[in-house]
Amino acid sequence: QSVLTQPPSASGTPGQRVTISCSGSSSNIGSNTVNWYQQLPGTAPKLLIYSNNQRPSGVPDRFSGSKSGTSASLAISGLQSEDEADYYCAAWDDSLNGHVVFGGGTKLTVL
Amino acid sequence: QVQLQESGPGLVKPSETLSLTCTVSGGSISSYYWSWIRQPAGKGLEWIGRIYTSGSTNYNPSLKSRVTMSVDTSKNQFSLKLSSVTAADTAVYYCARETEYCSGGSCYLGFGYWGQGTLVTVSS
Repeated sequence: QSVLTQPPSASGTPGQRVTISCSGSSSNIGSNTVNWYQQLPGTAPKLLIYSNNQRPSGVPDRFSGSKSGTSASLAISGLQSEDEADYYCAAWDDSLNGHVVFGGGTKLTVL
Repeated sequence: QVQLQESGPGLVKPSETLSLTCTVSGGSISSYYWSWIRQPAGKGLEWIGRIYTSGSTNYNPSLKSRVTMSVDTSKNQFSLKLSSVTAADTAVYYCARETEYCSGGSCYLGFGYWGQGTLVTVSS
């Protein structure tokens, strides 16, 4: 049972826009920024979004993030086949001396 | 380019201690947070804990009683020990570096560098 809640799966066709939600609480998303990671099959995760909505250098602007209250979302526009991957949200949690919490992950399928 | 490489036994017996080392190349280990993250087969990511090069640590509360992390700046390495392992500790273990990303005058941390991961199986 992950501290942050994500839907286990999402899907879309090429060119579509899809969104993935991430729900937390006041001790994590409600008081800290959210990062998103993309994990392609058989590889280590890659940072996709930091500080709720910022993209590291090299990440296409098709990827965007937002946060409101204790929830966050990742949006992917102009869906491409290479976007098929697992996506994880993460945030710092202020409880119990502080620790990082991840969502359970969302498997994105490009139909 | 910073690279991280995990090393250690791929098989650990139940009740024993899992020991892994992460070797950092292409950059200094100093002045960063270094984390261990694991992923059971077919499941999500679980943060185990982190260590700063000063030696200060933060651990996952659910694992805290069994986790010890250390850093050796002379070797550019940091390590994980997880005691009293069970089959539930079988996973791919990643080491990662928190990197500072700055935007609009503020900076934030994210796991910017990862090792390739190493599979540790707990079995007799």
